[in-house]
Amino acid sequence: DIVMTQTPLSSPVTLGQPASISCRSSQSLLHSDGNTYLSWLHQRPGQPPRLLMYKISIRFSGVPDRFSGSGAGTDFTLKISRVEAEDVGVYYCMQTTQYWTFGQGTKLEIK
Amino acid sequence: EVQLVESGGGLIQPGGSLRLSCEASGFTVSSNYMSWVRQAPGKGLEWVSVTHSDGSTYYADSVKGRFTISRDNSKNTLSLQMNSLRAEDTAVYYCARYDTLTGRYFDYWGQGTLVTVSS
Repeated sequence: DIVMTQTPLSSPVTLGQPASISCRSSQSLLHSDGNTYLSWLHQRPGQPPRLLMYKISIRFSGVPDRFSGSGAGTDFTLKISRVEAEDVGVYYCMQTTQYWTFGQGTKLEIK
Repeated sequence: EVQLVESGGGLIQPGGSLRLSCEASGFTVSSNYMSWVRQAPGKGLEWVSVTHSDGSTYYADSVKGRFTISRDNSKNTLSLQMNSLRAEDTAVYYCARYDTLTGRYFDYWGQGTLVTVSS
């Protein structure tokens, strides 16, 4: 089974400042079809998760361009260029290359 | 507009059974992969089961042999039959669509239904 490990587990940030979350997989997420199926989700308190990014760096419909994704193979990063109050919550990376696995989540909170 | 609405959660004793339903609108369940994902109180996300219209089904090891995913195409509904429930099955259960056409991602989620297994 592929294990997804996120760092940090908690990230206090200042409004207007950038934030970055890392995600590492226990094996390469490059699929035999040439795609890398790594997505990011955001969950606000009391809400269901919502999709932010898929295939590493493609923003889902309606996601602001302050969010960006990068990486390859086993190492991936989600960046927020300027954190806004609505960005608080927990961020999960998820692989769907081989079955489905979530990272343990990174809690983003405002300082 | 795509919507998913779960129902059927509640308090159930260990060893009991419960059936969750997820009513979809804005798309057809029959032509999509569909899934159940759960979240224990204060914990992260865990995929539970996935099904496709071709009949293929997948289960996490933690629920294999106890849970059964199914769909009712006439009602555009996804279900999860949960048997032999354990305390560790306590969680909010989310229904989600799994899009495989463009990127293999869970794009739409319901609000979730809480299952509490306790005596």
